[in-house]
Amino acid sequence: EVQLVESGGGLVQPGGSLRLSCAASGFTVSSNYMNWVRQAPGKGLEWVSIIYTTVNTYYADSVKGRFTISRDNSKNTLYLQMNSLRAEDTAVYYCARAPSHSNSYAFDIWGQGTMVTVS
Amino acid sequence: EIVLTQSPGTLSLSPGERATLSCRASQSVSSSYLAWYQQKPGQAPRLLISGASSRATGIPDRFSGSGSGTDFTLTISRLEPEDFAVYFCQQYGSSPLFTFGPGTKVDIK
Repeated sequence: EVQLVESGGGLVQPGGSLRLSCAASGFTVSSNYMNWVRQAPGKGLEWVSIIYTTVNTYYADSVKGRFTISRDNSKNTLYLQMNSLRAEDTAVYYCARAPSHSNSYAFDIWGQGTMVTVS
Repeated sequence: EIVLTQSPGTLSLSPGERATLSCRASQSVSSSYLAWYQQKPGQAPRLLISGASSRATGIPDRFSGSGSGTDFTLTISRLEPEDFAVYFCQQYGSSPLFTFGPGTKVDIK
């Protein structure tokens, strides 16, 4: 079954750090464009970061310099290292796949989300 | 930065009715890079439409997408009880790479 399972969320103090993980099954993380998207409580969706098959990475301005996206091909897992956390980073964090074989960049597979609370 | 605006904010309809949701971009968006998602409370978003008009795998044909340039539409031809949810449009393009609209909530009248 094709799925993504996030972990690593929790409660952290402002200025603290957290690393989120997203384990993939049924497909290869390194062969796809993998993303992190977040949703603050009661709010809309905000794209956070992408890692391409080439390992090129991009970030939203709101997290640039504080968050780092990476992947471990041997574990077929995506990560998001979050440093210098702020209250406004409080959100459910989703990992999502954009298939590299598609030219649409639409996110066809999403994880269930992991909650990060900065307080 | 491309900003997506969705209207209406809330759409109150009855099962069996037709829903028409709008997504307007502040600049022209390639149709290839416009997608629609459905999200129910406590769940992750689900891809409905990619490339402005292509239904994702397993999406019923009562969902259709159309539009080009700056104006895009998601239509649900006959609302089923499970269709009451929030719908987001999304574009891929210039910085930021991806933007989402604020969402349209379709609720039961």
